[in-house]
Amino acid sequence: SQQGEEDPQALSIQEGENATMNCSYKTSINNLQWYRQNSGRGLVHLILIRSNEREKHSGRLRVTLDTSKKSSSLLITASRAADTASYFCATGPSGAGSYQLTFGKGTKLSVIP
Amino acid sequence: DTEVTQTPKHLVMGMTNKKSLKCEQHMGHRAMYWYKQKAKKPPELMFVYSYEKLSINESVPSRFSPECPNSSLLNLHLHALQPEDSALYLCASSQGPGTATDTQYFGPGTRLTVL
Repeated sequence: SQQGEEDPQALSIQEGENATMNCSYKTSINNLQWYRQNSGRGLVHLILIRSNEREKHSGRLRVTLDTSKKSSSLLITASRAADTASYFCATGPSGAGSYQLTFGKGTKLSVIP
Repeated sequence: DTEVTQTPKHLVMGMTNKKSLKCEQHMGHRAMYWYKQKAKKPPELMFVYSYEKLSINESVPSRFSPECPNSSLLNLHLHALQPEDSALYLCASSQGPGTATDTQYFGPGTRLTVL
């Protein structure tokens, strides 16, 4: 079964606005990762946050992790049309080889020029 | 070089055909993966190879047969597929077990259509 649940399923914003996507999961994790997928293409790794971290930044991306609520959020600031894609969170389980990821259902982001 | 390559990009096959998907990486990664992704769905893990040995098979039907000839190559042999097997097949690689934070690098995928 899928570990992560993204919210919202679809998001449409104007260029320049911020986009926030949320992810919830069910079991203990070693890390949580966010990936982007352009239509029909492979996934691109965006950012990884470890279970002992609360916030991480990378360029226009900001990720938070709340292990007590088993949730994470991805914020994209000053969005661009090129940010249009599907965004997936993926969790690496704790207590086992962290190389097995479980993907959430994804959020489809549309940035309107 | 953080590239994972997959061939072919597109494949159309009949239900009686035998075909293979290929994946290659030259990052020295010791774990390689096959995922299946249906439209508007997340990737679903099929197989994991670790140090060239099959370590995870997520109850995939035997009409899908993975093979890891060496640490850089991963194949997926297809035989007697069904139309519902039509999907995007993604290959990924990562440094492998024993690493604390293991990022997976994905190839562009093979779009498979089974007629």
